[in-house]
Amino acid sequence: EAQVTQNPRYLITVTGKKLTVTCSQNMNHEYMSWYRQDPGLGLRQIYYSMNVEVTDKGDVPEGYKVSRKEKRNFPLILESPSPNQTSLYFCASSFKVPGQGVSPLHFGNGTRLTVT
Amino acid sequence: KQEVTQIPAALSVPEGENLVLNCSFTDSAIYNLQWFRQDPGKGLTSLLLIQSSQREQTSGRLNASLDKSSGRSTLYIAASQPGDSATYLCAPSSNTNAGKSTFGDGTTLTVKP
Repeated sequence: EAQVTQNPRYLITVTGKKLTVTCSQNMNHEYMSWYRQDPGLGLRQIYYSMNVEVTDKGDVPEGYKVSRKEKRNFPLILESPSPNQTSLYFCASSFKVPGQGVSPLHFGNGTRLTVT
Repeated sequence: KQEVTQIPAALSVPEGENLVLNCSFTDSAIYNLQWFRQDPGKGLTSLLLIQSSQREQTSGRLNASLDKSSGRSTLYIAASQPGDSATYLCAPSSNTNAGKSTFGDGTTLTVKP
């Protein structure tokens, strides 16, 4: 089944403890992206990747890192999480880069992160 | 910077009604625009993708229109059903900064049986 898989679904952690949220897609998609969704602020883009070893900042990259060493995986790394990073995180992928080709974005089911 | 506004924020209608959801965006330099559906606690599902050169796109009871020059898109839902209850989001993709998508806050639709 074609899908975007995020792990874990739920995560509670403490301030400063490094964590990684994994994202994997099995559709050979070129483009991958991370978003956070907060009440009243909507869905905001954190980082995106247009291909292997090509990443760029979205609108809210502070406090996050990403890497794209293989096409299928795009992990989101929080080196020193803080309470303001408590949010619902989504990973998405598409066959073509939005803005360069016509293909829909496929989303994972989300990771709900709580930082205390 | 692209700004996306969706009106209304919430909408409640009786089953069977036709309805229109609105999306406006400030930067008309878009490549395409997608409409998504989000159910509570779930990810987003793409409903329709309309290219900047298109005026309309249809899928079943859904019809999306796009007026790029005025920065507007609408999602028309015909004969609404309780199963249509969800939050609907629009997202234009920039053609000057490929890779960036900006999402509206969404319209939360409730269809009452």
